[in-house]
Amino acid sequence: DTEVTQTPKHLVMGMTNKKSLKCEQHMGHRAMYWYKQKAKKPPELMFVYSYEKLSINESVPSRFSPECPNSSLLNLHLHALQPEDSALYLCASSQVREGYTDTQYFGPGTRLTVL
Amino acid sequence: AQSVSQHNHHVILSEAASLELGCNYSYGGTVNLFWYVQYPGQHLQLLLKYFSGDPLVKGIKGFEAEFIKSKFSFNLRKPSVQWSDTAEYFCAVIFNTNAGKSTFGDGTTLTVKP
Repeated sequence: DTEVTQTPKHLVMGMTNKKSLKCEQHMGHRAMYWYKQKAKKPPELMFVYSYEKLSINESVPSRFSPECPNSSLLNLHLHALQPEDSALYLCASSQVREGYTDTQYFGPGTRLTVL
Repeated sequence: AQSVSQHNHHVILSEAASLELGCNYSYGGTVNLFWYVQYPGQHLQLLLKYFSGDPLVKGIKGFEAEFIKSKFSFNLRKPSVQWSDTAEYFCAVIFNTNAGKSTFGDGTTLTVKP
């Protein structure tokens, strides 16, 4: 099983809403990632969790709050977002190798629209 | 700064034409190299990767890439493209000083005309 699943597929929210994106993998990977991707642009790294601990935060605004409840799950909590936060949010996972991480497997993404 | 550049932003080819997409990175140390493809409306899929060993790497769907260390390049090739290869192609690099972080190039849009 080389699948990363993400829910929901689509999400529309207002600027005052609180919502969460979910990501799950059962490949035994110990690194999980959140990326943001705008149309026709490359993915931009937001957060990295390694062994359920936040290891990289790419100066993401606090209205995005990641959570890694266990080694298979990754959440992204959203609160008070802005219209410019509308994008495709991708989750990925990978094995952790000494020195650097292995191939990342990407989920299908959640298409987020902020009104 | 460590960066990845893809020279071609948009490539248009006819079916059966040969393809080469450029990818260069700016770093002299150890790197892991990847090519991903994103078909319209679909998620990123790994085409191939290079960690070590034979610098000519073969991937899925007839794609291959060659790592040339002296040129800091990892160009993607396919001898004969098909209409179904129409997609966005991203080169990605993990620099060994940034464990856990993939740096992506800006991407190349490939359009194959039937």
